[in-house]
Formats: sequence, C-alpha cells, structure tokens
Amino acid sequence: AQSVTQLDSQVPVFEEAPVELRCNYSSSVSVYLFWYVQYPNQGLQLLLKYLSGSTLVKGINGFEAEFNKSQTSFHLRKPSVHISDTAEYFCAVSESTGFQKLVFGTGTRLLVSP
Amino acid sequence: DSGVTQTPKHLITATGQRVTLRCSPRSGDLSVYWYQQSLDQGLQFLIQYYNGEERAKGNILERFSAQQFPDLHSELNLSSLELGDSALYFCASSVQQGTEAFFGQGTRLTVV
Repeated sequence: AQSVTQLDSQVPVFEEAPVELRCNYSSSVSVYLFWYVQYPNQGLQLLLKYLSGSTLVKGINGFEAEFNKSQTSFHLRKPSVHISDTAEYFCAVSESTGFQKLVFGTGTRLLVSP
Repeated sequence: DSGVTQTPKHLITATGQRVTLRCSPRSGDLSVYWYQQSLDQGLQFLIQYYNGEERAKGNILERFSAQQFPDLHSELNLSSLELGDSALYFCASSVQQGTEAFFGQGTRLTVV
C-alpha cells in the first residue's frame, strides 16, 4: 500500500516570492507521482506528473517538481508566485502497475498575499 | 474544462434517502474512478471501473454502489444517507489504466 505525507497544511507567502510545497511518499513498489491543484469550488487539475526518466519535472503555470527516490520525496516548487496561485495543492501517488488508483496527501493550502 | 461531466453539481437531501450521482467521462476514456473529498477524511478513492467492469475498490461503504454502463458513463448510488456522507464526490476518467486521470468538477452532497 502507498501513503503520502504533505508536511505543511498551510503555506503563506508573498507575491513574487519562491515557494516549495513538500511531499513525501511511502511505497513498497514502483510508483508514479502527481501534483494536482484545486481552486475554490473547482475540481482537481493536474499540475505535473512523474512517470519515469528525468527526475526534474516541469508542469503548467511555471511549477516544477523533483523526484528524489532515496528520500522518497516529490517536492513542488515555483520560483515566483502570483496571487492567482492561491489554492489547495495535493500530492498523489499510484502504483506503476495494477489499477493505478490515486492515493492523495491531505493537501497544502498555498496563500499568496500582496 | 477537463471534459469530464458530473451531474448534479449540488444535491441536498435528507438522512435515510438515496441519491444517484452521474459521471460522463472524456470521450474515449475507458476507465472511471470515484473519489470522496470530506473535511475529516480528505480525498479517498472509492471505486474504479474499466470498460464496464469493476477493477478496484477502496474505502467504499456497503451502502454505496456504482456501475459503468455500455456507453461508459458511470453512476454512483448512495443509499441510507447519513450526515457524515456529506462531501464532495469526484469522478475522474483516463484512457486506460496507468495514464493521466482527468477530474470532473464534482458533486457537492449535503445531507440534512
């Protein structure tokens, strides 16, 4: 079974500052990793995914994440945030074989202020 | 717009009642997943269907059931509703197992 830990429930940051949202996972098998974003009253939108290959993954809206197998981490970063990035961010993991249900972390609320 | 359509967007019903949530996957997607998002449980996987067949079950209560029809749309049936069933229910679809899942906007269920 897999599990995901998002260490920060809320991250406040000023506009144009860099941000890192942390995600650690646990799994006994090979996994795929994802970051989703949820804006208020919206569904989940995929930001980026790691399936294989380069450990640095670039996604939409200027976000990127780095897969670190030894530390079982998949932290999300953005060099300069905007007010519009205020949202809930979810890290998720799925087995790379089998039925690939997503196991989500508890989410991190990113609050960007002017 | 993800291409996944869920209806209704909002549903208010009384305890003990039964409701049906509907999901139309993206065109061509064979796999449908149902998730529940609540304040205390977070995002929980409920059940997955692939081309009409149940493929995986998560933390789905016995009062809940789902099916995927030949046209690939799916329905989640919730019965004997309790206050604790109030949550946002998401449907997601993917082309096949192991590929990117696209989420609908969700159905917000309120049980009063």
